[in-house]
Amino acid sequence: EVQLVESGGGLVKPGGSLRLSCAASGFTFSSYSMNWVRQAPGKGLEWVSSISSSSSYIYYADSVKGRFTISRDNAKNSLYLQMNSLRAEDTAVYYCARDSHQYSSGWDFDYWGQGTLVTVSS
Amino acid sequence: QSALTQPASVSGSPGQSITISCTGTSSDVGSYNLVSWYQQHPGKAPKLMIYEVSKRPSGVSNRFSGSKSGNTASLTISGLQAEDEADYYCCSYAGSSTVFGGGTKLTVL
Repeated sequence: EVQLVESGGGLVKPGGSLRLSCAASGFTFSSYSMNWVRQAPGKGLEWVSSISSSSSYIYYADSVKGRFTISRDNAKNSLYLQMNSLRAEDTAVYYCARDSHQYSSGWDFDYWGQGTLVTVSS
Repeated sequence: QSALTQPASVSGSPGQSITISCTGTSSDVGSYNLVSWYQQHPGKAPKLMIYEVSKRPSGVSNRFSGSKSGNTASLTISGLQAEDEADYYCCSYAGSSTVFGGGTKLTVL
């Protein structure tokens, strides 16, 4: 069974940093592109970042470019999101999501974690 | 990276069909057959319902179908059931990024 479990969320002050993790199991993690998608309270979904299976290709939304860094460790079946210079508007539930296409990016997400809440507030 | 445009809400009675539109631009929906649709129930993670405009993942009911014409994609749900009541989001590849719609709340009357 495919499982994605996020962790690392919490309360942080504006300008602070946080590192999210996503532990994957039940599939060959190293064969799939992975993504972070967020959802502000009561709002819609927003794609944040994508990383290819071998980390060769990395993409970011304009809203987080230069502040967030996506990475992965295929040996540990883990995905990460380092978030720096956090702003109030970064407050959201952050989901880890798997691309549905093995070995390529289809830019659609077939498995999602349960999400981890990040709150940026003084 | 502007959000795709969806109606804020739609409604229908059990057994009826409804269609949710998703309007983008020639830089996203109009240029790629990489439109997907997600269903999200309150407090839950999104679920993939349609990918590559009209394909259904294994396990998704054939009551759900997708299509695209020009810069507008559509999700049709036929034979509405109470459990279809949820938020629905479209999503399109936009060249090295992907963009979601603002979401549509489906109410089953």
